[in-house]
Amino acid sequence: QLQLQESGPGLVKPSETLSLSCSVSGGSISSSSHHWAWMRQPPGKGLEWIGSIYYRGDTYYNPSLSSRVTISVDTSTNQFSLRLSSVTAADTAVYFCASEILGYYYDTLGRFDPWGQGILVVVSS
Amino acid sequence: DIVMTQSPDSLAVSLGERATINCKSSQNILYSSNNKNYLAWYQQKPGQPPKVLLYWASTRQSGVPDRFSGSGSGTDFTLTISSLQAEDVAVYYCQQYYSSPQSFGQGTKVDIK
Repeated sequence: QLQLQESGPGLVKPSETLSLSCSVSGGSISSSSHHWAWMRQPPGKGLEWIGSIYYRGDTYYNPSLSSRVTISVDTSTNQFSLRLSSVTAADTAVYFCASEILGYYYDTLGRFDPWGQGILVVVSS
Repeated sequence: DIVMTQSPDSLAVSLGERATINCKSSQNILYSSNNKNYLAWYQQKPGQPPKVLLYWASTRQSGVPDRFSGSGSGTDFTLTISSLQAEDVAVYYCQQYYSSPQSFGQGTKVDIK
């Protein structure tokens, strides 16, 4: 059964770059029917999709964050990563990684299942 | 961008009674080529990640109790919990995956009355 686990620093200084990794176990990140996604949830608020990546490296970003986001994949370690540059307090959130299941061969978006447990990242000096 | 709007923001229902949550998309999310509504429902309990309950608007995820059901098409959708149990206390979100950026509703908090 597929499991995902986020890792990275829980505290980042303003203007610096947030870097997180997601380890995938119980399945291959090189699946043709999955994207691998990052979401975030500010404390007490709703969910926001940050972006997704396919194992070949194709990336899909939320336009609201695209100028600051880079998502990469490492098939040799079954991991994918998130980098968010120039962070501010508004980027304080729980960051989740998730498997994005594509329904049809022509789909580029899907439902998210399963999710990692999430990691709280606080932006503060 | 497609905006997803849920109603109500919160509701309290007695144990064993029905809970109904609505989700409205700002654009049609029914793909005519496959007749599928690109909508999922999630349940999030405190301190936990969201868990998918339904996808294609009405297909129940494996292991999800059958008291959870989904309906609707096009722009208007409903999640129904037919007989609320104590373990159903959570925040529920709808999500469209029809067009990028995929987007979530603001969430509906369900409590016991």
